[in-house]
Amino acid sequence: AQTVTQSQPEMSVQEAETVTLSCTYDTSENNYYLFWYKQPPSRQMILVIRQEAYKQQNATENRFSVNFQKAAKSFSLKISDSQLGDTAMYFCAFMKPASYNNNDMRFGAGTRLTVKP
Amino acid sequence: SAVISQKPSRDICQRGTSLTIQCQVDSQVTMMFWYRQQPGQSLTLIATANQGSEATYESGFVIDKFPISRPNLTFSTLTVSNMSPEDSSIYLCSGKGNYGYTFGSGTRLTVV
Repeated sequence: AQTVTQSQPEMSVQEAETVTLSCTYDTSENNYYLFWYKQPPSRQMILVIRQEAYKQQNATENRFSVNFQKAAKSFSLKISDSQLGDTAMYFCAFMKPASYNNNDMRFGAGTRLTVKP
Repeated sequence: SAVISQKPSRDICQRGTSLTIQCQVDSQVTMMFWYRQQPGQSLTLIATANQGSEATYESGFVIDKFPISRPNLTFSTLTVSNMSPEDSSIYLCSGKGNYGYTFGSGTRLTVV
């Protein structure tokens, strides 16, 4: 079974600085998807970034980028130029592709990020 | 990706009563799920909402307590029945697409 581990329950960063959130996972699959979701106090789960395991290039979305190390089964999220609106819970998640008949999304325990002014 | 509208966003309910939460997806998704999330915790899967048939429940969750309907591909409801304070939580619905999951905005339930 796949497991997702986020070893940092809480982190903080000063506004405009850079922070990296860690995530490791365990799987025997070769093809899969990895995600970072953001959940602000509004409770909405918002997709931040997605990475396909078969792609060597790290995904980037504006100020958000990942460091995907497939061999090490590591998937960290880097937030550059942190903004107050980045304050939220961040969940790392793993999904097997093309399995339409079951729930195959596995979430980490989450990291609470606080951006300080 | 799909957009999911979930309501109500919050409610305060008396113990022993029931609350029905609705989710409407703006496009078809392959599957729909219901999650519970305790404050500061990760998501716990309650069940998979199956179109036109009984939902598939995870261990620890039963149909009598959490009846679920999914009459078509884009709509589902979760009822929290005979509520107790232990049911106070956030409830989220989710739709599965080809490349990931989309979530509703969540329902914060407080049982008093």
